[in-house]
Amino acid sequence: DGGITQSPKYLFRKEGQNVTLSCEQNLNHDAMYWYRQDPGQGLRLIYYSQIVNDFQKGDIAEGYSVSREKKESFPLTVTSAQKNPTAFYLCASSIASRGRTEAFFGQGTRLTVV
Amino acid sequence: GQQLNQSPQSMFIQEGEDVSMNCTSSSIFNTWLWYKQDPGEGPVLLIALYKAGELTSNGRLTAQFGITRKDSFLNISASIPSDVGIYFCAGQLEEYGNKLVFGAGTILRVKS
Repeated sequence: DGGITQSPKYLFRKEGQNVTLSCEQNLNHDAMYWYRQDPGQGLRLIYYSQIVNDFQKGDIAEGYSVSREKKESFPLTVTSAQKNPTAFYLCASSIASRGRTEAFFGQGTRLTVV
Repeated sequence: GQQLNQSPQSMFIQEGEDVSMNCTSSSIFNTWLWYKQDPGEGPVLLIALYKAGELTSNGRLTAQFGITRKDSFLNISASIPSDVGIYFCAGQLEEYGNKLVFGAGTILRVKS
């Protein structure tokens, strides 16, 4: 089945550690996105990529890093520099064309710093 | 920062009521999308709008792309308990290519 898969669903991290969240899609989408959601809040864009080996910072990129070595994969690393990393992280993908940007989301990863 | 104003922030529904929410902006959008998110899950796409003035339905849901391309509304008719959740609007900004901007969401709750 075509879709977008995030793993793991739940992740615990000790303070000071980096952690990488996985996002894989088999929809043949060019564009991929990472969003952060805090309780009762909307979605804030961390990074997005419209093509392999290229990505742009979103509104809250500090303390995060990404890579886009393959079309299917867009992993997000939450570094120790992110001061408040506990949140729900959502990955999405879409066709990269103007006017047709139906983004589809994964099930999310809930990261908790302990 | 956010460039979409979504309202209301939250609302209570009684089964059978019609519900309406909207998003406005000072920017021009190419695309408007409406999503629903259940607790602990990713948002699910409900309706996509691509042309100014376009009116699209999906079952009990109806959404419209504003003529000025700066706003959109979503209506839910004859609401049922499973309609509760968070509804987000999202738009593709003309000046930002494919970048999607999200509203802060409308929380739909059931009156007890």
